[in-house]
Amino acid sequence: GESVGLHLPTLSVQEGDNSIINCAYSNSASDYFIWYKQESGKGPQFIIDIRSNMDKRQGQRVTVLLNKTVKHLSLQIAATQPGDSAVYFCAENIIGGADGLTFGKGTHLIIQP
Amino acid sequence: DSGVTQTPKHLITATGQRVTLRCSPRSGDLSVYWYQQSLDQGLQFLIHYYNGEERAKGNILERFSAQQFPDLHSELNLSSLELGDSALYFCASSADPFSNEQFFGPGTRLTVL
Repeated sequence: GESVGLHLPTLSVQEGDNSIINCAYSNSASDYFIWYKQESGKGPQFIIDIRSNMDKRQGQRVTVLLNKTVKHLSLQIAATQPGDSAVYFCAENIIGGADGLTFGKGTHLIIQP
Repeated sequence: DSGVTQTPKHLITATGQRVTLRCSPRSGDLSVYWYQQSLDQGLQFLIHYYNGEERAKGNILERFSAQQFPDLHSELNLSSLELGDSALYFCASSADPFSNEQFFGPGTRLTVL
């Protein structure tokens, strides 16, 4: 079946640099996308979401970009901090649907001092 | 803290046994979703309940079942356990059956020996 996938399993960045985590999705019917952060031993934590009628959305230190043409989603984290170390998942859904989220495999973000 | 609680935090049992995992949603949330997270399958949606009724099923095995009670807490029952059922089990809640913003609990780590 169709699923959300991630390009890289691990991303290592220097503290203070910007991080970019990528995600490819394949279900063209999906119109809602979310980024979650999962720290070790914890459940996924909502970071930011975007609907398909937008191509960019900004939060605090985070920006999500959506390119529907190539079915690509990215999460940009500005001025990466040690507390940003975690596994990041993108997830997709259909607005108005009752199904649960479809998650990608996850990218492990490692912050180097 | 998401406001979603899950018990127990850890569970160790033997093959062939049956266990029950419990989830209390955020105050006011009527929807509960169950997910399984394993190393090989990632985060997968199992089942969704809204206000006591089943709304959608995902990749849930026939050996697994769930229910949501009048006080809105939910239980996930896993029976005839196999080694491959060892995983993290998360529940998430949302305000209504069409809310894509889901808040995850801390999870229950199940180990089947």
